[in-house]
Amino acid sequence: SQQGEEDPQALSIQEGENATMNCSYKTSINNLQWYRQNSGRGLVHLILIRSNEREKHSGRLRVTLDTSKKSSSLLITASRAADTASYFCATANSGGSNYKLTFGKGTLLTVNP
Amino acid sequence: GAGVSQTPSNKVTEKGKYVELRCDPISGHTALYWYRQSLGQGPEFLIYFQGTGAADDSGLPNDRFFAVRPEGSVSTLKIQRTERGDSAVYLCASRPSGGSTRAGELFFGEGSRLTVL
Repeated sequence: SQQGEEDPQALSIQEGENATMNCSYKTSINNLQWYRQNSGRGLVHLILIRSNEREKHSGRLRVTLDTSKKSSSLLITASRAADTASYFCATANSGGSNYKLTFGKGTLLTVNP
Repeated sequence: GAGVSQTPSNKVTEKGKYVELRCDPISGHTALYWYRQSLGQGPEFLIYFQGTGAADDSGLPNDRFFAVRPEGSVSTLKIQRTERGDSAVYLCASRPSGGSTRAGELFFGEGSRLTVL
């Protein structure tokens, strides 16, 4: 089963524009992570935000987390053609000793030069 | 090596055959995960190991799927009596121990693409 649900499923923008992707989840979490996947490749970790954090930045990436709404957003500023990829949110369960990451279905981002 | 290594990168087999997929995690990473990804979908959790033991195998779809990690390093995902529906990319990931500052993120391999004819 998949915990996160990304929105939109696909997004096409011009180089230089900002891209915003959203993620909603269902159960309590320890943290939420965003990953990127180029076509035919493995996933690469982008950023992790803990359940007690509301916003985090890393370079051109900005992530927000609203635990009351069980949602997160990923903003990529000043996008580049090289940002074209699928982006997935993943939630880590809270409580217990198990640490399991559950992924959403992803947003396919296309940045046109 | 520096990253997670998965072999084979591609495997084509016939329905009913037995398949083994291997994952060599980053040295020192105690946790190892297997996911399955179908085209256009997100990774689907199968199983994860903490050391040698399976900490959570709730994602294994049925008893045709089995995974081992006998020495707490390399892991093998075994699929018996393969079916066409098993065709997917099987992803392996590893994670540092809890004391590391990067203990939360997973490091993924490039995946093993399985095609069952």
